Amino acid sequence: DIVMTQSPDSLAVSLGERATINCKSSQSLLCSSNNKNCLAWYQQKPGQPPKLLIYGASTRGSGVPDRFSGSGSGTDFTLTISSLQAEDLAVYYCQQTHHTLWTFGQGTKVEIK
Amino acid sequence: EVQLVQSGAEVKKTGESLKISCKASGYTFSTSWIGWVRQMPGKGLEWMGIIYPGDSQTRYSPSFQGQVTISADKSVTTAYLQWTSLRASDTAMYYCASQVMVGLGGGFDFWGQGTLVTVSS
Repeated sequence: DIVMTQSPDSLAVSLGERATINCKSSQSLLCSSNNKNCLAWYQQKPGQPPKLLIYGASTRGSGVPDRFSGSGSGTDFTLTISSLQAEDLAVYYCQQTHHTLWTFGQGTKVEIK
Repeated sequence: EVQLVQSGAEVKKTGESLKISCKASGYTFSTSWIGWVRQMPGKGLEWMGIIYPGDSQTRYSPSFQGQVTISADKSVTTAYLQWTSLRASDTAMYYCASQVMVGLGGGFDFWGQGTLVTVSS
């Protein structure tokens, strides 16, 4: 199985500051079918289902604010929130969709400092 | 409008069987992968498996292979998650989710509201 490891497990950021979450895969996530990295990021707020933020490592989902951005390739990826807002309090997960069996990272909890 | 509407919360006893559902609408059900994700209380997301309703091709996480059955009925555009013998450790929130607009490798862009399954002895 592909193992997805996120860091850190939690972070506290002041409003308006940048938040950065890392995700490392045990194997390359470059999909030969579309020449994109098959890596997605989700946001889950308390009591809600997850919401797709980023797919293809760097493409924002529908309606996602542009303060959210994804980068990286191969095995190392990053989700950046450029200017943290109060409503961004949530747990963030990466997910690989490259191999037959998709897997999630363990999650990163973002708190307001 | 794409919607995934899941069946209601369930309270069951250990050893009982259960089938929960996820009714899809607003897109072509047979040509989009749809899957299930488990979230145990206070824990992270676990990918259980997915099915392609068009040909019923199904993939399971090794952690769930043999423990659950994923199925889909194109005639009613509904996906199912089934247990034959529940355990207390199956207590969790279960989400269905589909890959509708993001294309191959894009993850799940639509999610159901979740079904809470509680299993006690």
